[in-house]
Amino acid sequence: RKEVEQDPGPFNVPEGATVAFNCTYSNSASQSFFWYRQDCRKEPKLLMSVYSSGNEDGRFTAQLNRASQYISLLIRDSKLSDSATYLCVVILNTGNQFYFGTGTSLTVIP
Amino acid sequence: EAGVTQFPSHSVIEKGQTVTLRCDPISGHDNLYWYRRVMGKEIKFLLHFVKESKQDESGMPNNRFLAERTGGTYSTLKVQPAELEDSGVYFCASSQGQTGTISSGANVLTFGAGSRLTVL
Repeated sequence: RKEVEQDPGPFNVPEGATVAFNCTYSNSASQSFFWYRQDCRKEPKLLMSVYSSGNEDGRFTAQLNRASQYISLLIRDSKLSDSATYLCVVILNTGNQFYFGTGTSLTVIP
Repeated sequence: EAGVTQFPSHSVIEKGQTVTLRCDPISGHDNLYWYRRVMGKEIKFLLHFVKESKQDESGMPNNRFLAERTGGTYSTLKVQPAELEDSGVYFCASSQGQTGTISSGANVLTFGAGSRLTVL
């Protein structure tokens, strides 16, 4: 079983729409959680960390549900520039190995 | 501040040849990671250096792959001999440290632009 699972999509949404991605992780000992964004043929870049209490950064909201072992990313008022692949990343509490999901592809349509 | 730099950006070689990829992490980052993404798959961990020591090399596919980080600065990843299935994008990433809370940023990975390897 994969450490991190994501729906690969693609998600095609109109500008202004709200879209949500979920990511599940298999190891309950997972400690830290992140969302990374990867543009086509570019490197992944940190979008936001995910805190236990949930956190918001502008149009982006991240949530963590430890009981169900999933994290979510909500994007409000989608912009064309939000089109990218969104990667869910999890760190276990042993060592410092980061586990990546396959990524969810988002295309925002004019 | 300079980011993580990788060289070459793209390498095309024939099966059986050797390729060496280089990564220069952010100055002061003790942790250096190599990852690989093959077509259609998730990014997968290869190995992790703390300074010059290999902390975890459990992701290295086989003994055709050799990573070094002499002096704890830049790192090289050599593939010898290369096989077709080695094609993919090799990312290097660095982070400040293993400890620290999320808010301290110690666990944030900064990636290089990647080295795309094509084995024909």
